Amino acid sequence: AQKVTQAQTEISVVEKEDVTLDCVYETRDTTYYLFWYKQPPSGELVFLIRRNSFDEQNEISGRYSWNFQKSTSSFNFTITASQVVDSAVYFCALSEADFNKFYFGSGTKLNVKP
Amino acid sequence: EAQVTQNPRYLITVTGKKLTVTCSQNMNHEYMSWYRQDPGLGLRQIYYSMNVEVTDKGDVPEGYKVSRKEKRNFPLILESPSPNQTSLYFCASSPPFSGKGYNEQFFGPGTRLTVL
Repeated sequence: AQKVTQAQTEISVVEKEDVTLDCVYETRDTTYYLFWYKQPPSGELVFLIRRNSFDEQNEISGRYSWNFQKSTSSFNFTITASQVVDSAVYFCALSEADFNKFYFGSGTKLNVKP
Repeated sequence: EAQVTQNPRYLITVTGKKLTVTCSQNMNHEYMSWYRQDPGLGLRQIYYSMNVEVTDKGDVPEGYKVSRKEKRNFPLILESPSPNQTSLYFCASSPPFSGKGYNEQFFGPGTRLTVL
């Protein structure tokens, strides 16, 4: 069964627009961990955030913010005032309570045009 | 510099010719893992290791082997590669559970493998 769904395959925006990347997850565990990673065109994977299931507080880091809603099993990522450097593939991931296995979504490719 | 290294970065081989992709980390991490990335599928976990001599299967282990004889190294072995193993492979490591939730994984630069 698919654990993490990123329904948006590709999104294109113009610089300075706000954009939200959706992530829906599935798990039976009450303790789990959610992550976002960025993969720029150069190919490396860059960690952005980890959120624990017992902490539903939303988080803001500069232009980035994350909205975690257990009621809808979603962990969405918003970039405010997007920039060309935000162009990348973004992956949402889930790790369940045993911390051993990780499940990644299929990724959302974000194109930010000048 | 703290890092995860993989070698080779690029490899073209033929069906059935055994190969090994090495992965090494210098952060003294206990947890290491291998993933493959395919278009439209994201990253899928192949194998992981909680510590030396402790390995287990991820979601897509068929056709792969791993070993963890030393803490720093976690090689991925394809004993008889097939074209469906053509993919981009990533190794990752992370520190142990800290009590505040699992720490981030540090990823290597990736190995692009083509099996003809």
